[in-house]
Amino acid sequence: ILNVEQSPQSLHVQEGDSTNFTCSFPSSNFYALHWYRWETAKSPEALFVMTLNGDEKKKGRISATLNTKEGYSYLYIKGSQPEDSATYLCAPSNFGNEKLTFGTGTRLTIIP
Amino acid sequence: EAGVAQSPRYKIIEKRQSVAFWCNPISGHATLYWYQQILGQGPKLLIQFQNNGVVDDSQLPKDRFSAERLKGVDSTLKIQPAKLEDSAVYLCASSPGGGGYTFGSGTRLTVV
Repeated sequence: ILNVEQSPQSLHVQEGDSTNFTCSFPSSNFYALHWYRWETAKSPEALFVMTLNGDEKKKGRISATLNTKEGYSYLYIKGSQPEDSATYLCAPSNFGNEKLTFGTGTRLTIIP
Repeated sequence: EAGVAQSPRYKIIEKRQSVAFWCNPISGHATLYWYQQILGQGPKLLIQFQNNGVVDDSQLPKDRFSAERLKGVDSTLKIQPAKLEDSAVYLCASSPGGGGYTFGSGTRLTVV
């Protein structure tokens, strides 16, 4: 079972501000890192899948980076909007096993 | 493409009662997962099916939890008897293989 840590656990950000949070995971036998956004009462929604060291992905105002050698990923949100309020989950997978192990998530609240 | 369907959305039961959850994955997805997400924690894998066979059930409390996927399509997860600590969101996800899940919206279980 992988040890996946996310920080901070919760975060309040003023609308319009930018923010970022961290996911750390074991670097050995790494295959892919997934980011999900989970809004209350909805399905977790896939944001990014990253596999290569140095990968950067972007989707609108949200972007993510990956460092597989040291075992961490950052998620950035630029110009936060109320609709960004959600729990953001990261989950790495290992070679030969597509099973995802989730971190505890970062609960983001955007203050209007 | 239709998403992953789960029912019921919410369920409240008394401790020691039984409960069952149902999941219909995306058509053609061979792999199906059940996750348990307790408040303040990340989703924890309970069981992984490949078609109708169990791949991983190492974290399934088998004294009270059972799951089946008889025809390799729909799946049911049962808890008998329920305990207070089973209160959680139960998420079903499916995958065509190669990583990347599609989640259902979950069943929120409250045991009183």
